[in-house]
Amino acid sequence: DTEVTQTPKHLVMGMTNKKSLKCEQHMGHRAMYWYKQKAKKPPELMFVYSYEKLSINESVPSRFSPECPNSSLLNLHLHALQPEDSALYLCASSQAGSGTGGRGGYGYTFGSGTRLTVV
Amino acid sequence: DAKTTQPTSMDCAEGRAANLPCNHSTISGNEYVYWYRQIHSQGPQYIIHGLKNNETNEMASLIITEDRKSSTLILPHATLRDTAVYYCIVRSHGMDSSYKLIFGSGTRLLVRP
Repeated sequence: DTEVTQTPKHLVMGMTNKKSLKCEQHMGHRAMYWYKQKAKKPPELMFVYSYEKLSINESVPSRFSPECPNSSLLNLHLHALQPEDSALYLCASSQAGSGTGGRGGYGYTFGSGTRLTVV
Repeated sequence: DAKTTQPTSMDCAEGRAANLPCNHSTISGNEYVYWYRQIHSQGPQYIIHGLKNNETNEMASLIITEDRKSSTLILPHATLRDTAVYYCIVRSHGMDSSYKLIFGSGTRLLVRP
């Protein structure tokens, strides 16, 4: 299995709703990531998990709450979102590594994303 | 983190080679150059990466200049399915054995029939 699976593919939610995005991989990758992508813009990093621990939070508002229950799963819990949070949310995974030495060939594998609309 | 500069858009004819340039003049000695592409409404797809030697795989070739300040991604025989946004990224290293992949604006490649 060489895929990252994201569910749901589309989500419409109201500003008072609570919803969750799910991401799953079975490649044995120990680093997982959430990105946000607005239309015609590049993906922006939100969170990085390494060995199931949150290692990087790119100053993301608290209405986005990530969770990594195990090495294969990554969730993004959403609460009290704003219409400007509407975007494509991408999950990715990679081998975790020191990044120094070796070939550094730790490419990311991305899912197809969840297209979120906040109304 | 080293930044990259790419042309906003390019086009090429189907069947011809597409050469996508990238400048990364502040790259440090242990940073790799990665290329990804994103076809409309899909997640980014890894293409190729390199440190200082030229690299080739089934998708593309990567030519890195000797001073490592720039590189070129070559799609040898572009097809319509290669129409996408192509991102040149210099890999940075993060804490706790993870690292960040930061996307720049990319090049929008249009392959014409």
